[in-house]
Amino acid sequence: LAKTTQPISMDSYEGQEVNITCSHNNIATNDYITWYQQFPSQGPRFIIQGYKTKVTNEVASLFIPADRKSSTLSLPRVSLSDTAVYYCLVGDSNYQLIWGAGTKLIIKP
Amino acid sequence: NAGVTQTPKFRVLKTGQSMTLLCAQDMNHEYMYWYRQDPGMGLRLIHYSVGEGTTAKGEVPDGYNVSRLKKQNFLLGLESAAPSQTSVYFCASNIGLLRTGELFFGEGSRLTVL
Repeated sequence: LAKTTQPISMDSYEGQEVNITCSHNNIATNDYITWYQQFPSQGPRFIIQGYKTKVTNEVASLFIPADRKSSTLSLPRVSLSDTAVYYCLVGDSNYQLIWGAGTKLIIKP
Repeated sequence: NAGVTQTPKFRVLKTGQSMTLLCAQDMNHEYMYWYRQDPGMGLRLIHYSVGEGTTAKGEVPDGYNVSRLKKQNFLLGLESAAPSQTSVYFCASNIGLLRTGELFFGEGSRLTVL
């Protein structure tokens, strides 16, 4: 069974780059790795998804090494509105979706 | 295009009462999921469905039942509510082409069992 590990919380300041890493072992070889953002009293929202190497979209980048045992979500130049909980999601070899416990990111002015 | 809609958004039950949460999606998605999220915790999968007429157990299925009679609707039932079922319930859907593809979530249903 796959297992994920994320930092429980992180602090940063406006304008900084923030990197959140999720460690995951025994993930399915064919599945993508996905990251979500959740604000209080809302459902999680898709941020970015990747399989290997680097993926970038308009809000974030995702770095996945060749062994796929971890993934790093990179948020460039964060603002106060990026304060949220961030989750990684992977699939395991038993066809289960495994959510990380979430990283609470607090951005300070 | 409403996406994923959950009803009701709030509900208070007494122990032993029953209720049904409705999830409706208008995106023609194959896969649908019910999660619960307790305060300060992550998501735990209750039940899911990979298509109309199919359901399967997730991580924490005890005390819940589900039905997917129509592709667009996924119902979560509590036959005899218990205080341990106080939580926020999220429904999600996925087009189904990729197992870890983008999940679309509803706004959540906050349930309190007294």
